[in-house]
Amino acid sequence: QQQVKQSPQSLIVQKGGISIINCAYENTAFDYFPWYQQFPGKGPALLIAIRPDVSEKKEGRFTISFNKSAKQFSLHIMDSQPGDSATYFCAASQDTGNQFYFGTGTSLTVIP
Amino acid sequence: ETGVTQSPTHLIKTRGQQVTLRCSSQSGHNTVSWYQQALGQGPQFIFQYYREEENGRGNFPPRFSGLQFPNYSSELNVNALELDDSALYLCASSPPGWGATEAFFGQGTRLTVV
Repeated sequence: QQQVKQSPQSLIVQKGGISIINCAYENTAFDYFPWYQQFPGKGPALLIAIRPDVSEKKEGRFTISFNKSAKQFSLHIMDSQPGDSATYFCAASQDTGNQFYFGTGTSLTVIP
Repeated sequence: ETGVTQSPTHLIKTRGQQVTLRCSSQSGHNTVSWYQQALGQGPQFIFQYYREEENGRGNFPPRFSGLQFPNYSSELNVNALELDDSALYLCASSPPGWGATEAFFGQGTRLTVV
């Protein structure tokens, strides 16, 4: 059973546009929601993370929007650049912190 | 400050063999987790080690085992390799502290079982 569902599977955006990736979860015990960026042949790199006590967190061009009642969260990449082309994973963890559940990933391509 | 390093980067093994993968955690991190990432999928949790003890395990059979050493480095051992074990194996380390904290991943070991 997929604990975290991610969409879309792939996304193509023009340079300068906004990329939006969505995730949904069922387990209300999840307490920590990170987003990871992964380039081919590399391990995932932590991009930004949020806890459910806030509805939005922004770091540079990256913003997480969090809707606790809907059990959904999303990543927004503003002013998307070709260098942002990568696979993005959402994840979730309980406050015990010992296991991350990952989404299936979104392959983002930013066209120059 | 060094990041998480894994070795080897690539490995080819024959079905039925055993393999050991190694991970050096980031400086100051005392928790190490291992994940399996099949091609085109998200990482799947194998297990976590905290202060040399297993601290949680995912849905993987006992032939997947691990160790953590006093310097917090870790090993993942897989016995009786199967073709489906072909994947990218990722190690992640986390800093001390209760509750969900940041996990920093290494570059992974690409294991191919033939």
